[in-house]
Amino acid sequence: GDSVTQMEGPVTLSEEAFLTINCTYTATGYPSLFWYVQYPGEGLQLLLKATKADDKGSNKGFEATYRKETTSFHLEKGSVQVSDSAVYFCALSARETSGSRLTFGEGTQLTVNP
Amino acid sequence: DAGITQSPRYKITETGRQVTLMCHQTWSHSYMFWYRQDLGHGLRLIYYSAAADITDKGEVPDGYVVSRSKTENFPLTLESATRSQTSVYFCASTPGLNYGYTFGSGTRLTVV
Repeated sequence: GDSVTQMEGPVTLSEEAFLTINCTYTATGYPSLFWYVQYPGEGLQLLLKATKADDKGSNKGFEATYRKETTSFHLEKGSVQVSDSAVYFCALSARETSGSRLTFGEGTQLTVNP
Repeated sequence: DAGITQSPRYKITETGRQVTLMCHQTWSHSYMFWYRQDLGHGLRLIYYSAAADITDKGEVPDGYVVSRSKTENFPLTLESATRSQTSVYFCASTPGLNYGYTFGSGTRLTVV
């Protein structure tokens, strides 16, 4: 079945450091890929998405490129801020197997210190 | 206000009681979902619905019941609450595959 594997957390960085959170997936066909962010006490918010190979999703300084050859969708940001502290979830939706259902990774806790 | 709202925000109930969590969305999205979030398990799908009067089981449906008589509402009922159902419950909706989900703010349920 479909699955998403994220790098284990927690991740702790200093402000202005470079961020990478790895995400790899297993899916049938050509899934759409998503990154969600969850701030403390809140629901998940869509951060960015990519719907086909080589697409780059971007938002709020975050980027991720859909790499079909490596089945990856790694999240990057060049300079993190304290306000980026949150839990980040990678997810996929594979039409052939799940319709509009999303399969989520376990989440990666990011803490950014001033 | 447009959006997806969940109620109540917090709920404490006793073992064996029936409890219903409410979810309401204002966009007329076709798809709606219920997830539970637990430490160590991430997000797990309980039930989902592709349209009014169409529902299907997710990964962890046991002990839960859903209905969707109207497009905008998707209540989740715990028929006889157990301590293992203590969790944070999230409702979400989407118009379709490539749009991503919009999540509600969650209901924190404690079963004592």
